[in-house]
Amino acid sequence: EQQVQQSPASLVLQEAENAELQCSFSIFTNQVQWFYQRPGGRLVSLLYNPSGTKQSGRLTSTTVIKERRSSLHISSSQITDSGTYLCAMERNYAQGLTFGLGTRVSVFP
Amino acid sequence: GPKVLQIPSHQIIDMGQMVTLNCDPVSNHLYFYWYKQILGQQMEFLVNFYNGKVMEKSKLFKDQFSVERPDGSYFTLKIQPTALEDSAVYFCASSLNSWDKEVFFGKGTRLTVV
Repeated sequence: EQQVQQSPASLVLQEAENAELQCSFSIFTNQVQWFYQRPGGRLVSLLYNPSGTKQSGRLTSTTVIKERRSSLHISSSQITDSGTYLCAMERNYAQGLTFGLGTRVSVFP
Repeated sequence: GPKVLQIPSHQIIDMGQMVTLNCDPVSNHLYFYWYKQILGQQMEFLVNFYNGKVMEKSKLFKDQFSVERPDGSYFTLKIQPTALEDSAVYFCASSLNSWDKEVFFGKGTRLTVV
């Protein structure tokens, strides 16, 4: 069973469009983190957002714990935003993160 | 953001040999992790290390795997002996403490077992 479900699996955007990425969890969690990964590259932490709404530049994450979901909003997309966006949660204290399969975002001019 | 350094970036090794992957976590972080990602597949948790001990390990953390962080030195993942299915990118990560749980990752070490 996939404990972290991400949608959509892929997304094609024209530059300057906005995007909404979704993440849902099969269990309750108190740790949600969004990452960005280029092919063959390391994971870059975008937002650590265990609950509520958090913003960093053009990125806004909203996590609703009781509904077991989190979203990532990208505003005014840029070509350099292309890559894979991963959502992750921690299942229990001291355990590692469980990742979703990711949303592959492609931004074109 | 804070940087986790991994050495080497790429390692090719003969099946059956030993390999050690090195990680330099963020300097004031207390929790250390290893993750494994096979090409095109999901990132998966291997092990969590704190205060000199393994806190939690997944079923992917086989008996051939071991981790340690001798005083002030690298946090290492050792595989002995290696198997073909160990070929993957291994990511090291660290987080500050039990209440600031944001996790920071290194660039990964691509291990190819031939």
